Amino acid sequence: EADIYQTPRYLVIGTGKKITLECSQTMGHDKMYWYQQDPGMELHLIHYSYGVNSTEKGDLSSESTVSRIRTEHFPLTLESARPSHTSQYLCASSESLGLAGDRNEQFFGPGTRLTVL
Amino acid sequence: AQTVTQSQPEMSVQEAETVTLSCTYDTSESNYYLFWYKQPPSRQMILVIRQEAYKQQNATENRFSVNFQKAAKSFSLKISDSQLGDTAMYFCAARNSYGQNFVFGPGTRLSVLP
Repeated sequence: EADIYQTPRYLVIGTGKKITLECSQTMGHDKMYWYQQDPGMELHLIHYSYGVNSTEKGDLSSESTVSRIRTEHFPLTLESARPSHTSQYLCASSESLGLAGDRNEQFFGPGTRLTVL
Repeated sequence: AQTVTQSQPEMSVQEAETVTLSCTYDTSESNYYLFWYKQPPSRQMILVIRQEAYKQQNATENRFSVNFQKAAKSFSLKISDSQLGDTAMYFCAARNSYGQNFVFGPGTRLSVLP
């Protein structure tokens, strides 16, 4: 059973606010990812982490930042939200290849749908 | 670098019929993993089926099967006996054996019509 959680599920905020999107997984995965996805559109990788204290920017430039202080937790922060940040944010995790046989896919959270007014 | 292409932005199929979604990829790796994910409207992304490149046998999961053509770098998904619940965005994805990240295609929106 894949257990990866995101909160909040929906968020509507005003321009200029600081927000943090939470993502937690209970599977002990060392790798975690953040994607930005407009509804019904393709996924864009914005951040990833290979483990504690490891974070990297993804393919799509983003004004957000991430941290990985604990294995299970990978929060994403926007210091000053703008209407252009309106989108869905998906968190995912995966095991390192070579471990636990075939379970090499990504597991996705339910997403946070963010609207910035 | 890996790339994944899905040439069909939208498709539709009648309930109980069979539909095939196309995916091609490009990689310089000798071993890699391929996936099909399903994202129903306003619902969570879930794995449909996976294929390891070194396995010649096509993967099958109930009504879902793949046609993996390694030389052609093609990885199509066949859905048999389509059901209304199959209506979703379908994403093809690749992961090589050395890299840590996944590369996703742009997605195909499938509508199953009653």
